[in-house]
Amino acid sequence: DVKVTQSSRYLVKRTGEKVFLECVQDMDHENMFWYRQDPGLGLRLIYFSYDVKMKEKGDIPEGYSVSREKKERFSLILESASTNQTSMYLCASSSAKAGGPGEQYFGPGTRLTVT
Amino acid sequence: AQTVTQSQPEMSVQEAETVTLSCTYDTSESDYYLFWYKQPPSRQMILVIRQEAYKQQNATENRFSVNFQKAAKSFSLKISDSQLGDAAMYFCALTGNQFYFGTGTSLTVIP
Repeated sequence: DVKVTQSSRYLVKRTGEKVFLECVQDMDHENMFWYRQDPGLGLRLIYFSYDVKMKEKGDIPEGYSVSREKKERFSLILESASTNQTSMYLCASSSAKAGGPGEQYFGPGTRLTVT
Repeated sequence: AQTVTQSQPEMSVQEAETVTLSCTYDTSESDYYLFWYKQPPSRQMILVIRQEAYKQQNATENRFSVNFQKAAKSFSLKISDSQLGDAAMYFCALTGNQFYFGTGTSLTVIP
């Protein structure tokens, strides 16, 4: 059974803190993604990675960075958390193999509150 | 720029009835894929159905089918024989270099 796991379901942090959100997939997928989900805005792509140590900016990268040191792990970093980063964060992975863009498999999400 | 528009923030359907969720999109690419994802309350997002743009035949998966109108850039999802377990947020998505998601439609199934 395919699985994408995220380190926390709920997280509360203070303004200015450095925050790490971890995502691990066990499907040997090449592609990994970080989204934030806000009511009325849908999912917006923050960063994605097509390979180890590779990263590409999505639509809303400001205030975030990422790290992919191993194929199965993709970390999202909030360098200095702010209240406008309070949101649901979703990690996803997909295979880059034949057949066009593969299905994205999503993690359960991390609901981050910054106070 | 690529965009995905879901104009129905909320929809409701009687159990066992049929409902159609709308999605329109815009892309300059000739090769792309369209998806419908389902996000049940407090549960993980899962794929419902996928459509390759080069295929004229509409995709179907059991009670779920799409009406893909490429010229009109429309990709609606039809759910037949609605069940209580179909209640969820539904997202339409388009791939190009990235995945682009719509804002979602919240579907309520009335017993």
